[in-house]
Amino acid sequence: DVQMTQSPSSLSASIGDRVTITCRATQSITVYLNWYQQKPGKAPKLLIYGASNLQSGVPSRFSGSGSGTDFTLTITSLQAEDFASYYCQQTSSTPPSFGGGTKVELK
Amino acid sequence: QVQLVQSGAEMKKPGASVKISCKASGYTFTNSFIHWVRQAPGQGLEWMGKINPGDDVTTFGQKFQGRLTMTTDTSTSTVYMQLSGLRSEDTAMYYCARVGDGFWRWFGPWGQGTQVTVSS
Repeated sequence: DVQMTQSPSSLSASIGDRVTITCRATQSITVYLNWYQQKPGKAPKLLIYGASNLQSGVPSRFSGSGSGTDFTLTITSLQAEDFASYYCQQTSSTPPSFGGGTKVELK
Repeated sequence: QVQLVQSGAEMKKPGASVKISCKASGYTFTNSFIHWVRQAPGQGLEWMGKINPGDDVTTFGQKFQGRLTMTTDTSTSTVYMQLSGLRSEDTAMYYCARVGDGFWRWFGPWGQGTQVTVSS
């Protein structure tokens, strides 16, 4: 099974900051990597699919990059509504697996 | 629009079973896999299994083998997830999610979640 490791597990940032979250797979997943945002009490919401494709309706301040085993989610200018938890997910093979999550908090 | 609506919260005693429904709308039900994911309080997302409503073929996570059942009712576009032998560690929010159209097998949309609490 492919294991996904996210870092950091939490971070504190201010409005307008650039935020970077990384995700590493235990084996190559090519670009079968998705990113989700989850707010408290809500279901996860897709942000990025295929490592770098922005889901329709998601603000362009979100971007994804990477291939193989190393991936990055970047928020270029953090907004108030971006304080949430973020999860990466690999769908290269079954079982699909999630990273442990990154909680983005207000500094 | 594509939507998944789950059944309401459940409270169960240890050893019991729980059956949660996930009603799909806005797309051809038999064309997309449905996955189940759970989230224990304050924890991350854990994949449980999937079902293909087109042929009812299921795949379950190893952790849930023998305890997990998934079925469909195509007449109502509903997927059911049943977990038996409940223990306190099964207390979690349970989500169904559709596999999106296209190549990347992303999950979306997700149901709103069903809280399952296991307590004596």
